[in-house]
Amino acid sequence: GNSVTQMEGPVTLSEEAFLTINCTYTATGYPSLFWYVQYPGEGLQLLLKATKADDKGSNKGFEATYRKETTSFHLEKGSVQVSDSAVYFCALRGNTPLVFGKGTRLSVIA
Amino acid sequence: GAVVSQHPSWVICKSGTSVKIECRSLDFQATTMFWYRQFPKQSLMLMATSNEGSKATYEQGVEKDKFLINHASLTLSTLTVTSAHPEDSSFYICSAVGNTKDTQYFGPGTRLTVL
Repeated sequence: GNSVTQMEGPVTLSEEAFLTINCTYTATGYPSLFWYVQYPGEGLQLLLKATKADDKGSNKGFEATYRKETTSFHLEKGSVQVSDSAVYFCALRGNTPLVFGKGTRLSVIA
Repeated sequence: GAVVSQHPSWVICKSGTSVKIECRSLDFQATTMFWYRQFPKQSLMLMATSNEGSKATYEQGVEKDKFLINHASLTLSTLTVTSAHPEDSSFYICSAVGNTKDTQYFGPGTRLTVL
């Protein structure tokens, strides 16, 4: 079945550091890929998505590229801020509802 | 973007009682709603999918008689945890999609604690 594996956290970075959160997936067919973010005390929010190979999703300085050859969708940001502290979930959707990774907690310190 | 609300945001109940959690789509019609459960430091696990006006489809291992789901209108779905026990304590999250089905919108979640 479909599954998502993402790097375990927590990840702690200083402000303005470079961020990478790895995500790989297993799926049949051609799923859509997503990154969701969950800020403290809030629900999940869609951060970015990509629907086909080589697509790049981007939002709020975050980027992720759909790599079919490596079945990956790594999340990157060039310069993180304290306000980026949250839990990040990689997810995919094939012909089923969203399947999530376990989430990666990011803490950014000033 | 679209807004999904949940009520209550947290609830504490005694073992053996039933708890109802509401999920509402505030500015769109949700043709399909999903209920997830999230354990601490774990991913969201899909419990069931419900389409308005029809019975919910439960994932394997989820007891349909324990977790009653009703999707009576295009803006409201309810999850009732019947005869709750401490092992049912968890964070329950609903999600909804509209007619285009391209994006799932999530509620803020309900934390259930069963004493």
